[in-house]
Amino acid sequence: AQKVTQAQTEISVVEKEDVTLDCVYETRDTTYYLFWYKQPPSGELVFLIRRNSFDEQNEISGRYSWNFQKSTSSFNFTITASQVVDSAVYFCALSEWDAGNMLTFGGGTRLMVKP
Amino acid sequence: GAGVSQSPSNKVTEKGKDVELRCDPISGHTALYWYRQSLGQGLEFLIYFQGNSAPDKSGLPSDRFSAERTGGSVSTLTIQRTQQEDSAVYLCATFLGKGGYGYTFGSGTRLTVV
Repeated sequence: AQKVTQAQTEISVVEKEDVTLDCVYETRDTTYYLFWYKQPPSGELVFLIRRNSFDEQNEISGRYSWNFQKSTSSFNFTITASQVVDSAVYFCALSEWDAGNMLTFGGGTRLMVKP
Repeated sequence: GAGVSQSPSNKVTEKGKDVELRCDPISGHTALYWYRQSLGQGLEFLIYFQGNSAPDKSGLPSDRFSAERTGGSVSTLTIQRTQQEDSAVYLCATFLGKGGYGYTFGSGTRLTVV
């Protein structure tokens, strides 16, 4: 069975600080997908990134970057120069190829960016 | 439509009543999921529809919960004899294609059982 763990339940930083959100996953599949979603106070889940298990290349999108390491089963998310608008709950999720593609979510990390 | 639409956005119901939550998916998206997010918790899978296949109901917490998807489009999640522990945000998500790419979530229905 798959499992996603986000050990940090809450992080508080001051604006312009860099912050890394950790995600560790467990799966028996060799083909799987990892995701990050942002849930702002409005409640809607906003897709940030999908990574498949065969692509360990790190990705950068503006102030966001993701570090995927299969050796440690981790898919960490870094926000550089954080802004108040980054305040939200961030979810890491896993989709196994043979599990009907349902998403298994981590418990989420609440990020608070203070001005 | 352009996005996944859920209605109502908020629902307050008395314990013991039945409720129906609706999800209008993105046109053409073949897969539809229901998730539940309890207060301060992560997201819990409930049920999954894929095309004309039998739905995967493995996440439904009890037989008071059921869902249907008519014509491969609109889906309704029904909770019978609601209990206070059913209070949560119910999220619908759809996607096109296999592999999980392109999930789109609705804004959810916040259900409060009093």
